[in-house]
Amino acid sequence: EVVLTQSPGTLSLSPGERATLSCRASQSVSGSNLAWYQQKPGQAPRLLIYDASSRATGIPDKFSGSGSGTDFTLTISRLEPEDFAVYYCQQYGSSPQTFGQGTKVEIK
Amino acid sequence: QLQLQESGPGLVKPSETLSLTCTVSSGFISAGAYYWGWVRQPPGKGLEWIGSIFYRGGANYSPSLKSRVTISVDTSKSQLSLKLNSVTAADTAIYYCARLSTTKIGPTSCWDQWGQGTLVTVSS
Repeated sequence: EVVLTQSPGTLSLSPGERATLSCRASQSVSGSNLAWYQQKPGQAPRLLIYDASSRATGIPDKFSGSGSGTDFTLTISRLEPEDFAVYYCQQYGSSPQTFGQGTKVEIK
Repeated sequence: QLQLQESGPGLVKPSETLSLTCTVSSGFISAGAYYWGWVRQPPGKGLEWIGSIFYRGGANYSPSLKSRVTISVDTSKSQLSLKLNSVTAADTAIYYCARLSTTKIGPTSCWDQWGQGTLVTVSS
């Protein structure tokens, strides 16, 4: 199974700053089938990015995804208060699908 | 608008069977090429895929849970169900039902719609 490692574990930033989150796979992710989710306390995850770089319906363009193979990145261009949350990556290029352990973006 | 709502006991005893139901907005569960499934999240931890199913049947399960889990669909009730037997404290988690996106057709895709989740605690 593909193991996803997210870094850093916690990212402390101020509103207005740029956030860069990393997701590294133990083997190449087939078809760049890599998604990113945002989860706020007490809520279900929300799909942000699929196929590494495509934004899901209704997701603002401050969120962008990039990468291929084993290295993927989620970038939030300018952090707003509602963006402070936990972010997970998921690979669905091969079965079983797997998730990373998450990166918490917190207010500095 | 699509809605998913999980329901079931919030407390299950060790060694017993966890049973949950997810009610999907009428008409959606058998519409299109969508797969449906379950994802769980232990308190304060990450997400874990449990399994996925098409409304016509044929479930796919996580290898780590395959021996204990059954997922089924009842289209007449527009419901998805989850049964996990021989539970232990390690099965304590928030259980989400969700829909798999058709950006990739099949049981392995990303999840584009989620229920609110239900907490199940395994304890005597």
